[in-house]
Amino acid sequence: EIVLTQSPATLSLSPGDRAMFSCGASQTIAGNNLAWYQQKPGLAPRLLIYDASFTAPGIPDRFRGSGSGTDFTLTITRLEPEDFAVYYCQQYGILYSFGQGTKLEIK
Amino acid sequence: QVQLVESGGGVVQPGGSLRLSCAASGFTFNIYAMHWVRQAPGKGLEWVAFLRYDATKDSYADSLKGRFTISRDNSKNTLHLQMNSLRTEDTAIYYCVKSGGSYGADAFATWGQGTLVTVSA
Repeated sequence: EIVLTQSPATLSLSPGDRAMFSCGASQTIAGNNLAWYQQKPGLAPRLLIYDASFTAPGIPDRFRGSGSGTDFTLTITRLEPEDFAVYYCQQYGILYSFGQGTKLEIK
Repeated sequence: QVQLVESGGGVVQPGGSLRLSCAASGFTFNIYAMHWVRQAPGKGLEWVAFLRYDATKDSYADSLKGRFTISRDNSKNTLHLQMNSLRTEDTAIYYCVKSGGSYGADAFATWGQGTLVTVSA
């Protein structure tokens, strides 16, 4: 089983700031099969990034994914008020697993 | 547009069974792999089960130990999750999820709104 570790657990920032989320894998993720999801309270998760760096349809270009192997990053270049939520990374290289999530809160 | 609508959740006693269903619309159901993902109250996401587009291959989270079975009816655009020997730790929102492809090596493209399963005496 591939274990994903996200950091930090909580990120406190202000609208207009740059946000960076980290996701580390316990082993190399083949094919960079790594996705990022956003979840707001009471709603289902939404796919943001797939294959580590490709933005899903309808997702604003301020969301950017990068990384390979065991280290991946989600960057939101300039935070909008609607971006405050919980973010999860997920691997689909060997079965499937999620990180524990990072909560992005308003400072 | 793509829609996934779960049903079948509710309150069940420990040791009981429940069958969840997911009605799919807005896409060609029979060419996409599907998943179930759950989220315990206040917790993170946990993948539960996967089924290939043609139902010839399935996979399950180790923690389920053979208690759950995923199935699909491509003639009715419906996905199911049969849950047996339920435990209190199975209490969660269960999401039906459409894969980005047919064979499972894809991100989870679209999620339903979820159905709540509560296991309690």
